[in-house]
Amino acid sequence: DTGVSQDPRHKITKRGQNVTFRCDPISEHNRLYWYRQTLGQGPEFLTYFQNEAQLEKSRLLSDRFSAERPKGSFSTLEIQRTEQGDSAMYLCASSSGQGHEQYFGPGTRLTVT
Amino acid sequence: AQTVTQSQPEMSVQEAETVTLSCTYDTSENNYYLFWYKQPPSRQMILVIRQEAYKQQNATENRFSVNFQKAAKSFSLKISDSQLGDTAMYFCAFWSGGSNYKLTFGKGTLLTVNP
Repeated sequence: DTGVSQDPRHKITKRGQNVTFRCDPISEHNRLYWYRQTLGQGPEFLTYFQNEAQLEKSRLLSDRFSAERPKGSFSTLEIQRTEQGDSAMYLCASSSGQGHEQYFGPGTRLTVT
Repeated sequence: AQTVTQSQPEMSVQEAETVTLSCTYDTSENNYYLFWYKQPPSRQMILVIRQEAYKQQNATENRFSVNFQKAAKSFSLKISDSQLGDTAMYFCAFWSGGSNYKLTFGKGTLLTVNP
């Protein structure tokens, strides 16, 4: 069990550019979540996958955001035409069907200049 | 919609002493789950303790225990014998159960343990 990993850990981009983040969940976990955390706030739910199916999306996830989980393994979160308001920590978590505990990755810190 | 409120943005405690972090929540659900997560500086979030709403007994994990008051919708975390490594942001989180798997977090409490 190597834990949830995320790549990259830090990303600095210019406004208007596209960025993509990757999350590798714990191998036997079939559920995967994306959250966004801004300074001084708790994480806010973005989207949830069960296997390869995206079952829920938050209203926070505008049309510029898209997430995928091909083959039910790793997941990617893409932000198109980034805005300064997208600057945040993007957290990925995974869980198994047996328990309710979500295991978090280290996050990807995005800075949009 | 569920809401989670942590009314203490910052707290401090001396090493070896006891500290209690507060959390209240609002829900119309009867069966749900509550969690405390710890996020050390520049490190990833880890689960500290969890409580199922249908269990009357308060959860305990070593030095960490909760005071769960269902009627008052209160879920406080007590840390006994505080250690320097307990310094972190602590988040209270709620899960309504069923097919909705998202966690709803409070804004967090920054706990500093002083030597």
